[in-house]
Amino acid sequence: EAGVVQSPRYKIIEKKQPVAFWCNPISGHNTLYWYLQNLGQGPELLIRYENEEAVDDSQLPKDRFSAERLKGVDSTLKIQPAELGDSAVYLCASSLDMNTEAFFGQGTRLTVV
Amino acid sequence: GESVGLHLPTLSVQEGDNSIINCAYSNSASDYFIWYKQESGKGPQFIIDIRSNMDKRQGQRVTVLLNKTVKHLSLQIAATQPGDSAVYFCAENLHNQGGKLIFGQGTELSVKP
Repeated sequence: EAGVVQSPRYKIIEKKQPVAFWCNPISGHNTLYWYLQNLGQGPELLIRYENEEAVDDSQLPKDRFSAERLKGVDSTLKIQPAELGDSAVYLCASSLDMNTEAFFGQGTRLTVV
Repeated sequence: GESVGLHLPTLSVQEGDNSIINCAYSNSASDYFIWYKQESGKGPQFIIDIRSNMDKRQGQRVTVLLNKTVKHLSLQIAATQPGDSAVYFCAENLHNQGGKLIFGQGTELSVKP
């Protein structure tokens, strides 16, 4: 069975441009997470979905970041406009529910120049 | 606890020795803990988990110990191998915040052949 799939793996954009990341969670997993990871640090939660509902988006910078999980399966995370400080790895993870282990994708490494 | 700082703690061990990686968590209401391994350029990989009603859990070559009194978690790796070289993160599930998964700072394990 395939794990969590993210695309693209790498993205380089100029500041002020928009960017989108896509995540396909493990089949049957109701909970989906988006994390941001800066170099040398642990992942930081941006948003968590239970099915199609965003149940925790308190750490998402809503002025420029948005996310959706239509039909409770795939999810996209968007940044518009991107800033230099957004350069990081964006990780998607999924779990059966909020009380079981989360499995991570490979991440998307974003570089804003 | 929360990810802070830019410098990961490091642990260097000789191949074949046992490794012990420590983690202090922040929330006494956390009831579920997970250890992840992250290799360069990859997403975190689930290693082992433990719930708060246990103080020890064993897997293949790994053991997790939980001390709720001092809010401390440790990961023991037996007969450490070069393939164990990675960054190790502990994560706590904040049940009182709807299952929010928070990562610690991480420890970089280096195994010398």
